[in-house]
Amino acid sequence: DGGITQSPKYLFRKEGQNVTLSCEQNLNHDAMYWYRQDPGQGLRLIYYSQIVNDFQKGDIAEGYSVSREKKESFPLTVTSAQKNPTAFYLCASSMQGRRTNEKLFFGSGTQLSVL
Amino acid sequence: DQQVKQNSPSLSVQEGRISILNCDYTNSMFDYFLWYKKYPAEGPTFLISISSIKDKNEDGRFTVFLNKSAKHLSLHIVPSQPGDSAVYFCAATFRGANNLFFGTGTRLTVIP
Repeated sequence: DGGITQSPKYLFRKEGQNVTLSCEQNLNHDAMYWYRQDPGQGLRLIYYSQIVNDFQKGDIAEGYSVSREKKESFPLTVTSAQKNPTAFYLCASSMQGRRTNEKLFFGSGTQLSVL
Repeated sequence: DQQVKQNSPSLSVQEGRISILNCDYTNSMFDYFLWYKKYPAEGPTFLISISSIKDKNEDGRFTVFLNKSAKHLSLHIVPSQPGDSAVYFCAATFRGANNLFFGTGTRLTVIP
């Protein structure tokens, strides 16, 4: 089955700790994205990558870092600089083509909470 | 600045009736619109889309209407079923944009 796998489903972070959220896709998609969802808010873009070894900041990149060493993988690190990390994090991917941003395919998400 | 707005946070509808979810946008550059459906603790799934060259797109029980002059689109679900109970996100984009712009979502509850 093709899809996007996010792990873990639930993650707890201690103050001052960096944590990494995993995202793997086997859809052969070129573009990958990280979104954050807070209660009562829409999805906000953290980082995106349109090709291996390249990524761009989204609207709320401060306190986060990413890497794209493989086409299939786009891990997100929530650093200690992110002061309000509690949220639901969604990874997505899309085909590269005429438009890279249509029809995003989402993973099932990671709920990050601060201890 | 929220470029895509869903002003109704929640909607309740009886099973079998029509559900109408509304979405407004402010950016006149948007030329492609999508609706996503999201269940709790899951990622959103694509539901239906419409290009700005059309004013209506149908897929089974789901129809999206686009009114460009009013910068408004709506999703109609007929007939509504209990399994349709979820949060619905409206999203928009334009050629050259790097991502989708999402609304805040509307929680639909279909009452059996």
